[in-house]
Amino acid sequence: DSGVTQTPKHLITATGQRVTLRCSPRSGDLSVYWYQQSLDQGLQFLIQYYNGEERAKGNILERFSAQQFPDLHSELNLSSLELGDSALYFCASSVGPVQSSYEQYFGPGTRLTVT
Amino acid sequence: GNSVTQMEGPVTLSEEAFLTINCTYTATGYPSLFWYVQYPGEGLQLLLKATKADDKGSNKGFEATYRKETTSFHLEKGSVQVSDSAVYFCALAWDKVIFGPGTSLSVIP
Repeated sequence: DSGVTQTPKHLITATGQRVTLRCSPRSGDLSVYWYQQSLDQGLQFLIQYYNGEERAKGNILERFSAQQFPDLHSELNLSSLELGDSALYFCASSVGPVQSSYEQYFGPGTRLTVT
Repeated sequence: GNSVTQMEGPVTLSEEAFLTINCTYTATGYPSLFWYVQYPGEGLQLLLKATKADDKGSNKGFEATYRKETTSFHLEKGSVQVSDSAVYFCALAWDKVIFGPGTSLSVIP
């Protein structure tokens, strides 16, 4: 158990809909990261927040947005969903902001299926 | 840009066989290098890391050496067990973490 929690575990929704994925980091961690894992794209970094502020951005679509709240939990919002958005979405957390210096701890993931 | 390449899987080995999973990288700057492991139905876990050239990371019998001259970070284990069956990801971190495509390993008794 990494200490990172994600809800829900599974999500099934229809094209065009909007969903929110939730992540609670390990106690004491200030950075939260979001990743998308799919068979064709592999594991892609989406976005990082550190202590409430956006820190780094990866291959995140404009239809997707995220935020980190004062209690440090984070939410990833996916809107206008397409079939290709079906994937495993992982949250990770670390103590510090620098990705090369701090180990990331991954949650168990949310499996999103868009039908 | 930065990138990571690793050997295609799946790799199937018998228990107690020697394991090598190749990983090479392209990077500007001086990245840290990692191996992560993903067991079925779980998130990724850090297996080992190296932060500078010639560093050797090791954990649970696995090891990898940061080779700047060959831009490589190959994962090795002398004797694999059935419990090592998982997907292994090589990754580099500079301004952000970039993962390789993953190599699936199956160890049969």
